[in-house]
Amino acid sequence: DVKVTQSSRYLVKRTGEKVFLECVQDMDHENMFWYRQDPGLGLRLIYFSYDVKMKEKGDIPEGYSVSREKKERFSLILESASTNQTSMYLCASSLYGVAGVSSNQPQHFGDGTRLSIL
Amino acid sequence: AQSVTQLGSHVSVSEGALVLLRCNYSSSVPPYLFWYVQYPNQGLQLLLKYTSAATLVKGINGFEAEFKKSETSFHLTKPSAHMSDAAEYFCAVSGIAGGTSYGKLTFGQGTILTVHP
Repeated sequence: DVKVTQSSRYLVKRTGEKVFLECVQDMDHENMFWYRQDPGLGLRLIYFSYDVKMKEKGDIPEGYSVSREKKERFSLILESASTNQTSMYLCASSLYGVAGVSSNQPQHFGDGTRLSIL
Repeated sequence: AQSVTQLGSHVSVSEGALVLLRCNYSSSVPPYLFWYVQYPNQGLQLLLKYTSAATLVKGINGFEAEFKKSETSFHLTKPSAHMSDAAEYFCAVSGIAGGTSYGKLTFGQGTILTVHP
């Protein structure tokens, strides 16, 4: 079974702090994703990565950055945390699958990090 | 662009009743479709996926979904609800118009399923 591990289940930080959320997967997946989940808004993609050191912006990248130095690890960074970044953060990974406009590979999710910014 | 609409943000059923969660998609390329379930304070777990092999797809926990191209639908059903089915359910579609998808998914807003005794 694929295991995606997020370093913290709950995290409390202060406004202005630099915050690191870590995600590790153990199945040699090429693709990794960071989402935030808010009530009524579903899952929104922040950033994703399809290879080591490769990254692309998702739908809501403002205020975030990412790092992927090793294939199994994908870090989300809040450069200067603000209260509107209080949310549930979910990491996911998937196999590259068949190249092209669609992928038949499901994403596998971690248990999430509930982040509160005070 | 791909989009997913889940009709009904909340669905309530009695234990033993039929569960029907609706999902309609919009896609300009042949889609791959997924249903996920999320229990409180957990991540998303894959229930089932449609990858064009068969239009009726069976998943875990007794759930199944039928892909209907003419209706652009992928509704999730379970014949008899159990208390343990109470959770939030997400429909998702893969695929973008042009370029490489890199496995990105577009998710619906989610449907919270409540099961009454």
